[in-house]
Amino acid sequence: ETGVTQTPRHLVMGMTNKKSLKCEQHLGHNAMYWYKQSAKKPLELMFVYSLEERVENNSVPSRFSPECPNSSHLFLHLHTLQPEDSALYLCASSQDPPTGDRNTEAFFGQGTRLTVV
Amino acid sequence: AQSVAQPEDQVNVAEGNPLTVKCTYSVSGNPYLFWYVQYPNRGLQFLLKYITGDNLVKGSYGFEAEFNKSQTSFHLKKPSALVSDSALYFCAVRDALSGYSTLTFGKGTMLLVSP
Repeated sequence: ETGVTQTPRHLVMGMTNKKSLKCEQHLGHNAMYWYKQSAKKPLELMFVYSLEERVENNSVPSRFSPECPNSSHLFLHLHTLQPEDSALYLCASSQDPPTGDRNTEAFFGQGTRLTVV
Repeated sequence: AQSVAQPEDQVNVAEGNPLTVKCTYSVSGNPYLFWYVQYPNRGLQFLLKYITGDNLVKGSYGFEAEFNKSQTSFHLKKPSALVSDSALYFCAVRDALSGYSTLTFGKGTMLLVSP
């Protein structure tokens, strides 16, 4: 295990549902990220939080709403999703800036496989 | 702006043969370079990194990578491939000089090792 835990691992939801994805990191990092991974497409960075402040939002539709209540937890709230939102959603954490040559890499959770029906 | 190119969508190699997965990068400052591996329906696992020092870095599962500054490359290598190495491999870069920066990933290369 990498120290980053995502729940649930699998989620099936209807287009009118509201659900949330949860991510927790036990690495003492101060930055957390949401990525979207769709079939046959590159990894898409969705949101970045550094010290619990959102520092990047890559033009993500408002039906995705992130929340970072503290440096260890990150949520992605979902509502009125579309079938094309079906993907693997990955959470990651890192230390920013890194402490010298250590703590330079990001660690990923196992992902949540989301299917929108 | 940072960028990473992985020119091959797929690399096929026979078990026991050496493998190379290619990566080139572009970054304004000094690069931190990484390789990650992803097995089906799993997250990305860190394999190895280049930060500074020796151009040849060794990582998990017998993988190594060579940093070449003049060619801006960071190719992943393994002397003898295993069937269990079959997975999706991602190269990534971040700018070492930025006070805050995110990883930029390549599009990934699928490695298929045949028995």
